[in-house]
Amino acid sequence: GAGVSQTPSNKVTEKGKYVELRCDPISGHTALYWYRQSLGQGPEFLIYFQGTGAADDSGLPNDRFFAVRPEGSVSTLKIQRTERGDSAVYLCASSELGTGGPNYNEQFFGPGTRLTVL
Amino acid sequence: AQRVTQPEKLLSVFKGAPVELKCNYSYSGSPELFWYVQYSRQRLQLLLRHISRESIKGFTADLNKGETSFHLKKPFAQEEDSAMYYCALSEDSNYQLIWGAGTKLIIKP
Repeated sequence: GAGVSQTPSNKVTEKGKYVELRCDPISGHTALYWYRQSLGQGPEFLIYFQGTGAADDSGLPNDRFFAVRPEGSVSTLKIQRTERGDSAVYLCASSELGTGGPNYNEQFFGPGTRLTVL
Repeated sequence: AQRVTQPEKLLSVFKGAPVELKCNYSYSGSPELFWYVQYSRQRLQLLLRHISRESIKGFTADLNKGETSFHLKKPFAQEEDSAMYYCALSEDSNYQLIWGAGTKLIIKP
């Protein structure tokens, strides 16, 4: 079956604009994660969905960032009033269950969306 | 706060030589440790996790709680091992991954 897909693969925008990044998880995966990866760094956790609800949004850097998953499948990460510092690769991952520890389920990653804010 | 440190940004070894990618962590609880790999133009994928104690593609990693390390090892490197390697940690009751900055492994022919 298809893996996690993300669109667009690249997005170039101007400072102050609004952008939406889309993630299609693996069918049947209830957990969905967004990460941000800046150049030369590992991914940084942003938000985690279990089904339709955001179970943990503690990684969102500020209130310009928002994410939704209205039907428990596709998720959209929304960034308002973009800033140059938002430039990064935004990664989406999904897993069957969002539990940590010994029952941790493997997170499957999408190819990422490279966002460039000019 | 929990942290994952990969001290080497770049590691270059010859084909057939042993490889060790270092990972140290700071966390007071019982973490779950992982190694993820990203080959050129491919997406991140799980290589191995400490709890499964598997050997994947000849790689092994042992969790050393005394030294708070989870180094990735392979006795004989192959050219196809060239990739970015990330060490990641999950808290014992959490689901988000905390990542190291990654090590770029280059295997020279």
